[in-house]
Amino acid sequence: TQLLEQSPQFLSIQEGENLTVYCNSSSVFSSLQWYRQEPGEGPVLLVTVVTGGEVKKLKRLTFQFGDARKDSSLHITAAQPGDTGLYLCAGGQWAGTASKLTFGTGTRLQVTL
Amino acid sequence: KAGVTQTPRYLIKTRGQQVTLSCSPISGHRSVSWYQQTPGQGLQFLFEYFSETQRNKGNFPGRFSGRQFSNSRSEMNVSTLELGDSALYLCASSWHRENSPLHFGNGTRLTVT
Repeated sequence: TQLLEQSPQFLSIQEGENLTVYCNSSSVFSSLQWYRQEPGEGPVLLVTVVTGGEVKKLKRLTFQFGDARKDSSLHITAAQPGDTGLYLCAGGQWAGTASKLTFGTGTRLQVTL
Repeated sequence: KAGVTQTPRYLIKTRGQQVTLSCSPISGHRSVSWYQQTPGQGLQFLFEYFSETQRNKGNFPGRFSGRQFSNSRSEMNVSTLELGDSALYLCASSWHRENSPLHFGNGTRLTVT
């Protein structure tokens, strides 16, 4: 069973602070996706990274895929209350006719004024 | 473009009953996946359907089943409900290709009493 461990599980910070969320696995994935989920809604895709060592930036969010494609990190600069939510990483596997995303344990972020 | 639609949004059932949940994917998406989300276990993969065939299955008992219709709409069924089946059930649609992101519905909140 592939497991994706995220750390930290919970994070409560003030507006303007920086933070990093980690996503680690012993398995290799063909892609690593990050989602954000808000209460009462389904997860929404933030980014997909597919190449080992890849770095993608989305405004104040920076995503990195590990060289060995087993881990990833999400860094938020100058967090804002609108960043509050559940952040989920997900490792993708493709078997030609079937796909599967394995989700991480989640990081719940709260940003206060 | 309409998103993924799940019905109903909320459901309350009694132990031993069965339930059917419905999912309409984004137009053009032919792959539909189902996930169970609970506070303790996070997002767990149930199954994936493509072209009316189950392509992948998670580690859930046989009480959990699903199907996909020719128009790509999908249903999942849970028989002989147990208290532990209380969860948010999320459906997601995607293109059937490697690294394709999932587009989630807002889920069906099932409560078993």
